[in-house]
Amino acid sequence: AQKVTQAQTEISVVEKEDVTLDCVYETRDTTYYLFWYKQPPSGELVFLIRRNSFDEQNEISGRYSWNFQKSTSSFNFTITASQVVDSAVYFCALSEFESGGSYIPTFGRGTSLIVHP
Amino acid sequence: ETGVTQTPRHLVMGMTNKKSLKCEQHLGHNAMYWYKQSAKKPLELMFVYSLEERVENNSVPSRFSPECPNSSHLFLHLHTLQPEDSALYLCASSQARAGDNEQFFGPGTRLTVL
Repeated sequence: AQKVTQAQTEISVVEKEDVTLDCVYETRDTTYYLFWYKQPPSGELVFLIRRNSFDEQNEISGRYSWNFQKSTSSFNFTITASQVVDSAVYFCALSEFESGGSYIPTFGRGTSLIVHP
Repeated sequence: ETGVTQTPRHLVMGMTNKKSLKCEQHLGHNAMYWYKQSAKKPLELMFVYSLEERVENNSVPSRFSPECPNSSHLFLHLHTLQPEDSALYLCASSQARAGDNEQFFGPGTRLTVL
């Protein structure tokens, strides 16, 4: 079973529409970390946000907002008033403590967002 | 140079060739990662080096051989690859042993195996 599920493979919207990217995770740990990354066509993943398991406060950064709900094991990402430059693949990731003494991240399959002008 | 750099950016090789991918981070991190990203698959974690020791292998075929001579450099040695190994290979770095540290990624090496 996947630890991080991004059920939406591809989303296509028209500029200025709002769009939500879903992320559902699975873990038995009480301490864990969640991340979102953006991968534009250039290929380089760029960090967007992280959340630890003890902080369920939602966050807004400009047109981006994140909704973390432990009750449903979800960490969804909303882009308001989407723009063409938002077109990219977005990855959700979960970081858990491994027995070897390090945190190993697990990535979802990614959601490809296409914003049409 | 800043961030995480990877060379070469593009590589075409035959199945009998031997080549190496290089990654360098200028961020003072002590963990480095190799990922494989192919068209229809998610990011696959291949190797992790934390404090210069390999932490996780993930059952990668032996035709891929990593090397981490110090905390700033990471190599991936390739030999007798298969066409299905064609993919984007991404390197990343982070501060180890602290789960809330994000990874910084390089631009990747686009590998094509003929």
